Amino acid sequence: EVQLVESGGDLVQPGGSLRLSCATSGFTFNSYEMNWVRQAPGKGLEWVSYISSSGNTIYFADSVKGRFTISRDNTKNSLYLQMNSLRAEDTAIYYCARVRPYSGSLGCDYWGQGTLVTVSS
Amino acid sequence: QSALTQPASVSGSPGQSITISCTGTSSDIGAYNSVSWYQQHPGKAPKLMIYDVNNRPSGVSIRFSGSKSGNTASLTISGLQAEDEADYFCSSYTSSSTLVFGGGTKLTVL
Repeated sequence: EVQLVESGGDLVQPGGSLRLSCATSGFTFNSYEMNWVRQAPGKGLEWVSYISSSGNTIYFADSVKGRFTISRDNTKNSLYLQMNSLRAEDTAIYYCARVRPYSGSLGCDYWGQGTLVTVSS
Repeated sequence: QSALTQPASVSGSPGQSITISCTGTSSDIGAYNSVSWYQQHPGKAPKLMIYDVNNRPSGVSIRFSGSKSGNTASLTISGLQAEDEADYFCSSYTSSSTLVFGGGTKLTVL
């Protein structure tokens, strides 16, 4: 069974930093591309970042470019999102999502339950 | 990249069919057959219902179907059931190598 479990969400002050983790199991992690997607309270989904299976290719949404970093550790079957210079508008549930294989389109097939990040003073 | 446009809400009675539209541009929906649809119940993670415009993952009911014409994709749910009541989101790959989502549609089963 595919499982994605996010952690690391917290209350942080504007300008602060946070590192999110996503522990995976039930599939060959090093063969899959991954995404981070977020959802502000009561709002829609917003794609945040993508990383290829090897970690060599990375994309970011314009809203987080230069502030967020995505990485992965294929030896630990884990995905990470380093968030710096956090703003109130970054407040959201952050989901780790697996990219559907062979899609070439960043579309997600499995999602974690999410971790809540709140940016407030 | 602007979000794809979905109606805020749709409704239907049990047994009826409903269609949710998702409008983008020639740089996303119009350019690729990479539209996906997700179902999200309150407090839950999104679930993939349709991928690549009109394909259903294993385990998804045949009552769910997708289509595309030009820059607009559609999700149709036939034989509405109470458990279909949820939020639905579309997504598309874009020419900027990003993923864009729709704003979401709340489906109410009357």
